[in-house]
Amino acid sequence: AQSVAQPEDQVNVAEGNPLTVKCTYSVSGNPYLFWYVQYPNRGLQFLLKYITGDNLVKGSYGFEAEFNKSQTSFHLKKPSALVSDSALYFCAVRATGFQKLVFGTGTRLLVSP
Amino acid sequence: DVKVTQSSRYLVKRTGEKVFLECVQDMDHENMFWYRQDPGLGLRLIYFSYDVKMKEKGDIPEGYSVSREKKERFSLILESASTNQTSMYLCASREQRINEKLLFGSGTQLSVL
Repeated sequence: AQSVAQPEDQVNVAEGNPLTVKCTYSVSGNPYLFWYVQYPNRGLQFLLKYITGDNLVKGSYGFEAEFNKSQTSFHLKKPSALVSDSALYFCAVRATGFQKLVFGTGTRLLVSP
Repeated sequence: DVKVTQSSRYLVKRTGEKVFLECVQDMDHENMFWYRQDPGLGLRLIYFSYDVKMKEKGDIPEGYSVSREKKERFSLILESASTNQTSMYLCASREQRINEKLLFGSGTQLSVL
């Protein structure tokens, strides 16, 4: 079975500092990994995905994520946080051959001025 | 802009009512999905459809049904609404290629009283 863990309910960071939002996964076979962001009263927006190839994936709004197969992790990162990055972030995984995308429970990111 | 449109942003219904949530996409996508989002539980898949008149159960199909008579429209039906179905409902669509990202609607916040 596929599963995703986001161990932190909330991450607090000061504007200008680097941020990391953690995600670990469990699948059989090769994973397809995604990050989505949800702003207040909005649907989810796609940020980035890892399918194959380079372990460092760059996405929208200056975000990037690093795929680490040995640690089964796909942490979301940004070198310098903005107040406008404050939102709810979801990691998701799909296993090879499966249609279903499984989401984590979400991590709320709060960036203070 | 391509988009996924959910017919209602907020909906209030009474216990026992039959409820229809509508979702329309204008991208000619084959795959469509219904998720519900609850605090601390993340997104959970209710049903998905990979083609017209085709459907598959997700992780929590009990108490729900779906209809896909046309490619662009995917309806979620609560046969007899209950208070534990109070939630945010998110519709998404995706191209047939399995590595493609999901595109989400803005969501319907359903309250069952």
